[in-house]
Amino acid sequence: AQKVTQAQTEISVVEKEDVTLDCVYETRDTTYYLFWYKQPPSGELVFLIRRNSFDEQNEISGRYSWNFQKSTSSFNFTITASQVVDSAVYFCALSEEGYGGSQGNLIFGKGTKLSVKP
Amino acid sequence: KAGVTQTPRYLIKTRGQQVTLSCSPISGHRSVSWYQQTPGQGLQFLFEYFSETQRNKGNFPGRFSGRQFSNSRSEMNVSTLELGDSALYLCASSNRDSMIYEQYFGPGTRLTVT
Repeated sequence: AQKVTQAQTEISVVEKEDVTLDCVYETRDTTYYLFWYKQPPSGELVFLIRRNSFDEQNEISGRYSWNFQKSTSSFNFTITASQVVDSAVYFCALSEEGYGGSQGNLIFGKGTKLSVKP
Repeated sequence: KAGVTQTPRYLIKTRGQQVTLSCSPISGHRSVSWYQQTPGQGLQFLFEYFSETQRNKGNFPGRFSGRQFSNSRSEMNVSTLELGDSALYLCASSNRDSMIYEQYFGPGTRLTVT
């Protein structure tokens, strides 16, 4: 069965610290997609990144970077030099390619609440 | 370009009533998915629509239903409301016919059942 585990429920850091949010997934499909979303206090989920199972290249976008390792079924997210505006709940999600070539069902982890203090 | 809009933003209903929530996707997006978010269960998939057809359904009772119109707007309905239906209901749209691509979420409808 598909499952996404975010073991860290809450993390608190001081501004400018680096922080890594962990994500471990389970799937039996060979084709799948991994996502990270940010949910600020306003409630709207903001898309951060999508990665398919055939692309294990790490990605960097400004202060954000993602480390995808199929060998450990992990897709971790690092924020470098954190800022107060990074405070939010971060969700990791999994989508599999089901019958018909697509499946619009995102399976979310429970989320990690990140608090960045000034 | 306007984002995903959801109406109403807040709703208070009484147990046993029914409710209809509306979602307008980003212009040009034909795929719409619905999710329920609660503190206990987290984010859970409800259903997915593409071109007025339900393509996928999550593990929710039959009291939860939805539909999509020819203009891609979608509605979800919950009949015979229970206290446990209190949640944030999120709608997401995608500009690809396959929802494996990024989904853009609306601000949600906060439903409170008393």
